[in-house]
Amino acid sequence: GQNIDQPTEMTATEGAIVQINCTYQTSGFNGLFWYQQHAGEAPTFLSYNVLDGLEEKGRFSSFLSRSKGYSYLLLKELQMKDSASYLCASMDSNYQLIWGAGTKLIIKP
Amino acid sequence: IAGITQAPTSQILAAGRRMTLRCTQDMRHNAMYWYRQDLGLGLRLIHYSNTAGTTGKGEVPDGYSVSRANTDDFPLTLASAVPSQTSVYFCASSPKTSYNEQFFGPGTRLTVL
Repeated sequence: GQNIDQPTEMTATEGAIVQINCTYQTSGFNGLFWYQQHAGEAPTFLSYNVLDGLEEKGRFSSFLSRSKGYSYLLLKELQMKDSASYLCASMDSNYQLIWGAGTKLIIKP
Repeated sequence: IAGITQAPTSQILAAGRRMTLRCTQDMRHNAMYWYRQDLGLGLRLIHYSNTAGTTGKGEVPDGYSVSRANTDDFPLTLASAVPSQTSVYFCASSPKTSYNEQFFGPGTRLTVL
């Protein structure tokens, strides 16, 4: 079956670093996506990994290990506006996205 | 219009009624998608369209239908709404099916009583 696992909720402190993990199991693999979703809003694209390794984009970085079926999103220098849900999704062999339930990130001052 | 829009923003509907959720994009994207999002669950694909004139079933298509008469519009119809269809519905689009980003509309919050 197809499955995406990520923690339900995480708490971190403003200015700190947090790593959100995601494990995936899908029928085929065409990339791993991370989206950010603020409460009551639509998901917005953060990153896409299809090759192993780390992709850095400003304060956000995303890592992929295809052999382990594992990814993480790293957020540095946390700001209060980073409080949101972070959605992990794997694109399967039919180019359809299989989504995790999301990780709610709470930032405390 | 800039990007992707959905209407209505929210709706309360009596069970058994027919309802069409509208989705329009002005980016000339070929691929469009309808998802539902429920608390504690990931986004689930209802229907998709790879290009105008074609549609396909996603993970949870029962009770829903779609059409894709042109590139811009991708309406989702609930023929006879049931309470289990209470959800937030997101429409999304991408330049092509295999593209590495999907762009989401603002969502429609639907309550079926």
